[in-house]
Amino acid sequence: DVKVTQSSRYLVKRTGEKVFLECVQDMDHENMFWYRQDPGLGLRLIYFSYDVKMKEKGDIPEGYSVSREKKERFSLILESASTNQTSMYLCASSLGGAGVETQYFGPGTRLLVL
Amino acid sequence: GQSLEQPSEVTAVEGAIVQINCTYQTSGFYGLSWYQQHDGGAPTFLSYNALDGLEETGRFSSFLSRSDSYGYLLLQELQMKDSASYFCAVRGGTGGFKTIFGAGTRLFVKA
Repeated sequence: DVKVTQSSRYLVKRTGEKVFLECVQDMDHENMFWYRQDPGLGLRLIYFSYDVKMKEKGDIPEGYSVSREKKERFSLILESASTNQTSMYLCASSLGGAGVETQYFGPGTRLLVL
Repeated sequence: GQSLEQPSEVTAVEGAIVQINCTYQTSGFYGLSWYQQHDGGAPTFLSYNALDGLEETGRFSSFLSRSDSYGYLLLQELQMKDSASYFCAVRGGTGGFKTIFGAGTRLFVKA
């Protein structure tokens, strides 16, 4: 079974702090994604990566950056946390290629910025 | 840009059939997926349609019409455990690397 793990289930940070959210997948997947989920808004794509050291902006990249130094690890960085970044953050991975795309999600990190 | 529309809420009774619709606007369409998410859980993959027509997986079926930019998820023989949120997602963009999710449809199954 594919396993996607996220470094924390719950996180509390203060405004202005730099926050690192880590995601690791164990199935040698090419693609990795970061979403945030807010009530009534569904999952909104922040950044994605289709290869090591490659990254692409999603729909809401402002205030975030990412790093993919190794294939299995995709990190989301909040450079200076703000209260409007309080949310559930979900990481996902997929095999890549032209076939059926199945995204496998981690359990999520619920971030509270005070 | 890309956008998806699906109903915010659907209610049905146990044993019934329910259809959740999804319309989309996208560039470079590669496929339409459906995901299920229970409260407190992560989204899990249900189905994927790249071509027009119906895909069946047990009690769940998914349909796609690319000419109408429309798809639906059909759930048959509803069970209480099907109460969850259902998201349609479009794979698109250059190279098909970008997947955008809809806002989700909350399904309530009543006894």
